[in-house]
Parts: sequence; structure tokens; C-alpha cells
Amino acid sequence: DADVTQTPRNRITKTGKRIMLECSQTKGHDRMYWYRQDPGLGLRLIYYSFDVKDINKGEISDGYSVSRQAQAKFSLSLESAIPNQTALYFCATSDLRDPSEIQYFGAGTRLSVL
Amino acid sequence: GQQVMQIPQYQHVQEGEDFTTYCNSSTTLSNIQWYKQRPGGHPVFLIQLVKSGEVKKQKRLTFQFGEAKKNSSLHITATQTTDVGTYFCAADGGSQGNLIFGKGTKLSVKP
Repeated sequence: DADVTQTPRNRITKTGKRIMLECSQTKGHDRMYWYRQDPGLGLRLIYYSFDVKDINKGEISDGYSVSRQAQAKFSLSLESAIPNQTALYFCATSDLRDPSEIQYFGAGTRLSVL
Repeated sequence: GQQVMQIPQYQHVQEGEDFTTYCNSSTTLSNIQWYKQRPGGHPVFLIQLVKSGEVKKQKRLTFQFGEAKKNSSLHITATQTTDVGTYFCAADGGSQGNLIFGKGTKLSVKP
């Protein structure tokens, strides 16, 4: 969804480096999510935020941190990257007012940790 | 925690054949959503089912929600190469307010 923008689209980094993945949205949604996708494992939730002051751990938060700088921005950080964090990362948003809770995904960031 | 099991993990079909993916939960679901991810793309919402026994159709796609609201299926009639991708079911995470995704079924269609 073009209204959910992830940067960078691709990133190669080395073990031990700190990196940040950014997500911004123009949909005006309150809720934002970070997922990780690995082959055969589907989408696993890392962190989610229901508003600027709300941060919640997901299924696999270890090794990651997040920052909700504004309603429109939600960043994911890897403090010290390790090779098993090589994956495809998706940001998503949803509207608090939508009873369907449909999630809208960004195009993804492909991260390789060497 | 709550889980949704999705089978099969992979399905290879000849163009024109039918395809079905199944999603099962051990607990009653308030609703279930289906998403499609094209190769190299991102998940895109297809549909939501809410009512017990609900059936919804989108052209060649038929979605069903079980009577007990513990299972769901997506059936594609006469697959086409444009159907290629991974299909995910996703259930309401309950009080956590998030979605729990199945592991997905990757569909490949041979012309």
C-alpha cells in the first residue's frame, strides 16, 4: 500500500551493527505494527503500537526495539544485528475506528545480516 | 497463546485445477481475515468473515467460516496463473488487539 512507506527497501549490514528500519504512513491510522517474515514461518509480530504513548511486545520482540515518534512514524531498531535476524520485515497499520481491523502493509524491507 | 494452523504449506496445481487452503483454531474465533501476498509483494487484505457458517464469494474465490467459528477455508475454482502467491488467514488476537497470522499456503500454478 503506497500510503505505508518503508525505508530502506533493502539493507545489508554486518553482525554487531545497529540499524534502524523506518515506517511512515499517510493513512491517519492510530495502530502500527512490525512483522518479520521468514520462509515457512509466516508473519510473526515483533512489536505493535496503538497510539504514540503505547508500545507492546509481540511474539518475537527479543533483540528488537521500537520507537513511535509520531502518529505517522514507527521505527524498528536492531541494537546489535545478528545473522538470524536476516529476514523480510513488514510494517502495517490499521484504523482504530474500523471494526474489521484490516491491516495495510508496506512494501517491506529485506534485511541481510552478514 | 492463540494459534491458527494453516494447511497445506505448499500447493502446486495445473492451471484450471481447483485449490483449497484451510485454517484451524483450537479456540472460537470472533472473526477471521484472509490476505494474499503475490511473489515479491506484501500481504493484501482479501476478506473478513464474522458470522458462524458464513460464505462469501469473490469471483472464483469462495471463503467459508465454520459453524463453530473454529475453522475457515479459501477455495479457488479453476486456478489461473494470476492466483499465484501465498494466502494467509489471520484471526483476532483477542484482548491483545492484534492479528494472529497462519503460516500461509504458497500456491504455484503451472500453465
